[in-house]
Amino acid sequence: NAGVTQTPKFQVLKTGQSMTLQCAQDMNHNSMYWYRQDPGMGLRLIYYSASEGTTDKGEVPNGYNVSRLNKREFSLRLESAAPSQTSVYFCASNEGPQPQHFGDGTRLSIL
Amino acid sequence: GEDVEQSLFLSVREGDSSVINCTYTDSSSTYLYWYKQEPGAGLQLLTYIFSNMDMKQDQRLTVLLNKKDKHLSLRIADTQTGDSAIYFCAESDYGGATNKLIFGTGTLLAVQP
Repeated sequence: NAGVTQTPKFQVLKTGQSMTLQCAQDMNHNSMYWYRQDPGMGLRLIYYSASEGTTDKGEVPNGYNVSRLNKREFSLRLESAAPSQTSVYFCASNEGPQPQHFGDGTRLSIL
Repeated sequence: GEDVEQSLFLSVREGDSSVINCTYTDSSSTYLYWYKQEPGAGLQLLTYIFSNMDMKQDQRLTVLLNKKDKHLSLRIADTQTGDSAIYFCAESDYGGATNKLIFGTGTLLAVQP
């Protein structure tokens, strides 16, 4: 009963490096989401995918790209990491109006 | 734009009731949610309420919604030390394929033994 699985759990990058955060869900959900969580700011939506083959920008998309590889997988890419992207990243999924289910997060530090 | 606000911190004694409050601005909100986040973990859905409801009770949890004032509260009865966590209020305006959430900043609940 995995739910939403994110990899890696932790990562340290140097400024300018690139990285892809992986997310997979096994609940056959159509919609998937990427959020970032920063102290005192709650969670903010980066990108989302309503269904396989579609992606849309959220509140804070700059510096990120996404790929909805198939119905199960939704990846988040940082092409040139910046210290301002140090954060905890959460992936979530849901179906229709049902609540979102969240992964355990990826803790990313950029030096 | 839409906004969700919460107080940052609440401290209670074990066995007391906790009440965490939330206000939101989007009058077209369809669903309102409470999530719990323990240290180093993801978000766990506690409960949610549809906007045409006033109250929902689930064991120790009671959610009250005042739609006129755009005010949501979560009451935890008989609070335990295991309830210590950050609690997030979130609202959504489900209008089609996705159910995007707008989160509050979170309320840190500290339960004193």
